[in-house]
Formats: sequence, structure tokens, C-alpha cells
Amino acid sequence: KAGVTQTPRYLIKTRGQQVTLSCSPISGHRSVSWYQQTPGQGLQFLFEYFSETQRNKGNFPGRFSGRQFSNSRSEMNVSTLELGDSALYLCASSSDRNTDTQYFGPGTRLTVL
Amino acid sequence: SQQGEEDPQALSIQEGENATMNCSYKTSINNLQWYRQNSGRGLVHLILIRSNEREKHSGRLRVTLDTSKKSSSLLITASRAADTASYFCATDNQAGTALIFGKGTTLSVSS
Repeated sequence: KAGVTQTPRYLIKTRGQQVTLSCSPISGHRSVSWYQQTPGQGLQFLFEYFSETQRNKGNFPGRFSGRQFSNSRSEMNVSTLELGDSALYLCASSSDRNTDTQYFGPGTRLTVL
Repeated sequence: SQQGEEDPQALSIQEGENATMNCSYKTSINNLQWYRQNSGRGLVHLILIRSNEREKHSGRLRVTLDTSKKSSSLLITASRAADTASYFCATDNQAGTALIFGKGTTLSVSS
């Protein structure tokens, strides 16, 4: 099976802009979770989508949002970008629960100038 | 918030040596997982150990779990340069709705 794919791999944006990241899970996986990784805060859970519904949410402001399509592909959107949003954004999929084994994509490196 | 904390933060060893890293957590868990990350890439799942298990093996990896001490250890035997990476433990939060990752141990294996 093909692994989790994320596009784009690198992004450079300026403050105030918005960005959309895409994730395609492993075929057959219905749970897609998003994480933000920064040197200071480490890996933090953003949210999880399952069967097109947001099932769980971390402690991030409303500027961070996402959605999932019927084919389980997921997008994450960040509006009104801030410098502190610069991070590696990781997507992970699992067959059922997001606390089961997670299969991660390579990540999208977002730099906000 | 509940979070695994790895110890040490950094570890440098020679090829062929064993590497041991530890993880402590705060509240009861259903399972504990270990992941590896190579230099800014995605994480790779190594092993999952359930709360009713005490030890698990996978190739050169050995994981132990002591729920009474709320701690786990990851042992990599006969380390190779390719094992150079950051290693993270992850536990499910109390509500069972998310994985909480520690800050990781950076392992450097030199030849």
C-alpha cells in the first residue's frame, strides 16, 4: 500500500496570508489526524477527522481548521498566518482510532515571514 | 496535560553499543507507543505496548512498561549509524481522544 502523502512539502508565506495543506491517508484508513511540530512546543495534536467529521480537537485557536472528503483525503487550513505558525505540519492516518498506531506522512514545512 | 517525558534529552554512542531511553508519564494509559523521526521528516511507528503488557520485542528493539511507576524504556541493541534519529514516546490522553507526545530523545550513533 502507498503511504501517507502530504502536499506541498514546503511553503513560504507572509503574515496575514492563509494556507491550505493537503493529506492523503493510506488506502482504507478513515481516521486522519494533524499535528504541529515546533522546536519549542514539540509535537502537538491539532485535530482528527473520521468519516468526514471532526471527531477530536486539540487546543489551537479557530484560525486552524480542517475538513475531510468522502475519499478520506483531508485538508488543513490556517488563516491570518502569524510568525509563530512556522512549523512542520504532520498528517497521520489510522484505520480506526487516532490513539492506535499512527502512520505519518513526510510533513509540510511552513515558514511564515 | 498528560505527557510523556523522555530521558535523556540527548544520547551519543558508538556503533555496536546499546542505547536505552526512558519515558515517564503522569496518568493511567491504555497503551504506550514509540516512534522514530529522522531529521525533520515524518514519524515512523516502532512499537506499541498495551497497559497489560510488561515487555515487547521487535527485531533489535525491546520495550518495557511499568505501569506502577508510570514509565517505559526503549532499548536498541547493537546500534547502527542508521539508528541516528529522534525517538518519541506517545500515550493516549485520559479521554482516549488523542496521542500526547513527549519532547523526544535525540540519539546519535557514530561509526
